[in-house]
Amino acid sequence: DAGVIQSPRHEVTEMGQEVTLRCKPISGHNSLFWYRQTMMRGLELLIYFNNNVPIDDSGMPEDRFSAKMPNASFSTLKIQPSEPRDSAVYFCASSFGTGVYEQYFGPGTRLTVT
Amino acid sequence: GQQLNQSPQSMFIQEGEDVSMNCTSSSIFNTWLWYKQDPGEGPVLLIALYKAGELTSNGRLTAQFGITRKDSFLNISASIPSDVGIYFCAGQKEFTGNQFYFGTGTSLTVIP
Repeated sequence: DAGVIQSPRHEVTEMGQEVTLRCKPISGHNSLFWYRQTMMRGLELLIYFNNNVPIDDSGMPEDRFSAKMPNASFSTLKIQPSEPRDSAVYFCASSFGTGVYEQYFGPGTRLTVT
Repeated sequence: GQQLNQSPQSMFIQEGEDVSMNCTSSSIFNTWLWYKQDPGEGPVLLIALYKAGELTSNGRLTAQFGITRKDSFLNISASIPSDVGIYFCAGQKEFTGNQFYFGTGTSLTVIP
């Protein structure tokens, strides 16, 4: 069975450029989460969706970050313009979300902004 | 955001030894999850706990949901080299939907 799929696995970009990270959740899961992981701050929840609707985006750092979920099988996290402090590993996770809340993580996208 | 206190921060043990780590919070949680993360990979779910006092095993791993609902414990018996990695706890508070708060992680090194 396919797990959570993320692309790209690695992204190197220059400051000021737009970055788009992609996620395909596990089929049948109705909740999707975007996390950022750094050495300093650990795993931070950025935003999560339930049934394609954003429920809590209080973790989104600032207006440069935006996330969309146009359908149940696809989500994007966009950073525009990117800054060096955005360098981190970004994870997408999904869960079934009704009574059983186990989250399954993708392999992550390692973003480096120079 | 809120983070759970996880201890110890790191452990260096001999192969074959047992390992214990824990996670505490000032808040009451409904659900506890334990994950393992290998370098360059995403966290992999090991055990899920849904009830205070619950004790659940997955092979050599055993996790417990604390009676106070403010803590959880993970034990690994007879450690082997492939147990190396970072272990994270995650807790879900009441009435927060699907949102989980993650611990700071315990880095485990197993010396053959």
